[in-house]
Amino acid sequence: EAQVTQNPRYLITVTGKKLTVTCSQNMNHEYMSWYRQDPGLGLRQIYYSMNVEVTDKGDVPEGYKVSRKEKRNFPLILESPSPNQTSLYFCASNHDGAISPLHFGNGTRLTVT
Amino acid sequence: AQSVSQHNHHVILSEAASLELGCNYSYGGTVNLFWYVQYPGQHLQLLLKYFSGDPLVKGIKGFEAEFIKSKFSFNLRKPSVQWSDTAEYFCAVNVRSSNTGKLIFGQGTTLQVKP
Repeated sequence: EAQVTQNPRYLITVTGKKLTVTCSQNMNHEYMSWYRQDPGLGLRQIYYSMNVEVTDKGDVPEGYKVSRKEKRNFPLILESPSPNQTSLYFCASNHDGAISPLHFGNGTRLTVT
Repeated sequence: AQSVSQHNHHVILSEAASLELGCNYSYGGTVNLFWYVQYPGQHLQLLLKYFSGDPLVKGIKGFEAEFIKSKFSFNLRKPSVQWSDTAEYFCAVNVRSSNTGKLIFGQGTTLQVKP
């Protein structure tokens, strides 16, 4: 089954404790991206990747890092999480980044206390 | 900067009522337009998309949207909603020339359908 898999689904952590949210897709998609969803703000792009070793900032990259060492994986790293990063995070992928619809993961709800 | 605006933040309808959700974007060039739906507790799924051709596009579950270039709008419609349409709806725009793949989302509209 074609899917984007994120882990964990729920995460509660404390300020400053490094964490990684994993994202994996099995559709051989070139393009992957991370969004955060906040009430009243919709989805905002954090980082995106057009292919292996090619990443770039989205609209709200501060406080986040990503890597794309393999085509299928695109982890989101919070080196020193802060409470304002409490949010619902979605990973997404598609073939070309422009035309084909995005496939979304099930989301990771992060709470930073 | 490009932006997408959804005018209705929260809509409450009774079953069988007609639905229209507004979406406007600010960009003068060529765009790809999408509507995504997020059912409670689930991830976003594509409802419909417009790239070119007939400005009236039909999607899944009886939804349709009309692209009006002169108004920079891409409103979502459904003639008769069902309780199962209760969800959050997002309009999104991709600038075709950007090649960054970035989708710009609107703030979302929460639709509540009363049985």
